Amino acid sequence: DTGVSQNPRHKITKRGQNVTFRCDPISEHNRLYWYRQTLGQGPEFLTYFQNEAQLEKSRLLSDRFSAERPKGSFSTLEIQRTEQGDSAMYLCASSSAGAISYNEQFFGPGTRLTVL
Amino acid sequence: AQSVTQLDSHVSVSEGTPVLLRCNYSSSYSPSLFWYVQHPNKGLQLLLKYTSAATLVKGINGFEAEFKKSETSFHLTKPSAHMSDAAEYFCVVSAGQNDMRFGAGTRLTVKP
Repeated sequence: DTGVSQNPRHKITKRGQNVTFRCDPISEHNRLYWYRQTLGQGPEFLTYFQNEAQLEKSRLLSDRFSAERPKGSFSTLEIQRTEQGDSAMYLCASSSAGAISYNEQFFGPGTRLTVL
Repeated sequence: AQSVTQLDSHVSVSEGTPVLLRCNYSSSYSPSLFWYVQHPNKGLQLLLKYTSAATLVKGINGFEAEFKKSETSFHLTKPSAHMSDAAEYFCVVSAGQNDMRFGAGTRLTVKP
């Protein structure tokens, strides 16, 4: 399968615990995005990387959130001291940066986080 | 600032009848507009995109959308619904590749 993969698909944790999600983009894509989707809403942009550089972060990304893409391939999103309000679907997408703008973003299936 | 408003949170049609999912946008720039579909337990899939070329855009699975600048609309249509079209649909506006603003979504139900 050459699509975007995310692990785990589901995560249940207790409030105050730390969680980490992983995203593996399509191999030739150099851009990687994280979104958060809450029930009944569309995805909201969190952050994006071009290769290993994190180029933009939304104000939605509080200090408890950190994302990395150390080798420009897979990425991790960590949430520290989780709160019930962090419960959501976390989506990863990747795209290729080239001469053509607005290249399609390919989305993974998401990681559903439930904070008890 | 840019945003999209999907005018219906839920649309229900019978199989074989036309589909209309409505989207209005707001953008300070010449926008790019997209429709994505999300099936349960599947990733978002691009249906079609408008990037200042032809105003009538054809996408996958028989869907199309028309960009109407005067009405700031980008409605999604399909002549004949199929059961497999049942899903959540998102209208998206973008002024840059890392600035995608999604609408709240429209859930499409297709009745036999």
